[in-house]
Parts: sequence; structure tokens; C-alpha cells
Amino acid sequence: GQNIDQPTEMTATEGAIVQINCTYQTSGFNGLFWYQQHAGEAPTFLSYNVLDGLEEKGRFSSFLSRSKGYSYLLLKELQMKDSASYLCAVSPDTGGFKTIFGAGTRLFVKA
Amino acid sequence: DTGVSQDPRHKITKRGQNVTFRCDPISEHNRLYWYRQTLGQGPEFLTYFQNEAQLEKSRLLSDRFSAERPKGSFSTLEIQRTEQGDSAMYLCASSLVRWRGADTGELFFGEGSRLTVL
Repeated sequence: GQNIDQPTEMTATEGAIVQINCTYQTSGFNGLFWYQQHAGEAPTFLSYNVLDGLEEKGRFSSFLSRSKGYSYLLLKELQMKDSASYLCAVSPDTGGFKTIFGAGTRLFVKA
Repeated sequence: DTGVSQDPRHKITKRGQNVTFRCDPISEHNRLYWYRQTLGQGPEFLTYFQNEAQLEKSRLLSDRFSAERPKGSFSTLEIQRTEQGDSAMYLCASSLVRWRGADTGELFFGEGSRLTVL
């Protein structure tokens, strides 16, 4: 079966750093994504990892360990606009690039 | 091209009625996906198309749901005999995946069609 776990909610302070963890168990693996979704809006792509290691993109970084079925999204220099849901998603190795999503982590950034 | 567009954005219907949603993907994208999202949950996969071929359909999708992509461009999702449990946001997404390409399968989502079944 397919299972993606991430914390339901997190709270952090403006200017701080926050790490959102994700663990997954899927029938195969063809890459892991992080998407951001503001309330009432569509998800937007943040990052993609297919090899182990850290991918950095501005204030956002994403890490992957395939052997552990583990990823995290690191947000630095938090801003109020970063308050959103962060969705961890995996493409199982079905050859179809179908993407399976976790339930999302709702991040609240406080002043 | 301004991105993925969906219509209607909101639909309120009575239980038992049929509803149809339309999705226009990014023009050069060859893959089109339908997802359903309820409050506090991530998008749940429903079905996807490679050009006009429907390649996979979720086992969660009952016979009341049908999707088409007749010419490999826009797609429609029809729900027959709606039930209150069908109330959700229906998201369409598209992506470009080329044979032996370096594409990641990143999804570009539309704004969604919110269905309320009374």
C-alpha cells in the first residue's frame, strides 16, 4: 500500500527556521515533491528530490533519504506569508508518474 | 498560456443531480490529472490521462464518476447521482512527461471546482 505521514500542524515565529518532516512507504519510488498550498488556493510546486541529499532553493531546502523513507522541508527566515499547508507527495514507481499526497502540515507563522 | 483553468469554480447541487466539471490544461502538457480534496486533507488521486488515453483510475472512484479527454486537450469529469459525500474541491492538474526526458512530473494545478451537494 501507499502511506505518507507528516505532522498535522506546526507553529513557528517570524524570522525563525522550521523543519517539516515526512515519512513514506510506497510500492515504489520515482521522486518526492513538496507543494505549498495557501488556504483556498491550489497547491504550487516547491521542490523535487529523487536522489539522496539536500536540494536548496532560496529560503527553502528539501532533504531526502531513500533508505529511510524520509524527507524534510526546511524553511529559513520565516515570513508571515509562509503560513500555509505544506504537502509531501511521492511518485510511486508505477511508470505512470502518478503522485500520491500526504494530508499536509499546516504551518502557522506568528509575529 | 495562463495556466490550468477549471470551470465552474463553484457548483451547488441537490443530491441525485448530475454535475460536470471542465479542465483546460497547459497547452503543451501531455498528462492531465483529476484529484479530489476535502478540508484538512491532501489531494486524493482520482484518475489521469496521457494525451487522450485514460491510463489509471483510482479504485476509490465509484461507477458514478467518469472522466474523458476526447481530443487530448481539455477534460471533463462527470459525477452522476451526486451524494453529500461527493462534496469536495475537485482539482485538475497537468504535467509534461516526455519519453527519456528529464521531466520530474511536477504538477501544475488549476484553482479547482468546489462542489457542494445539499
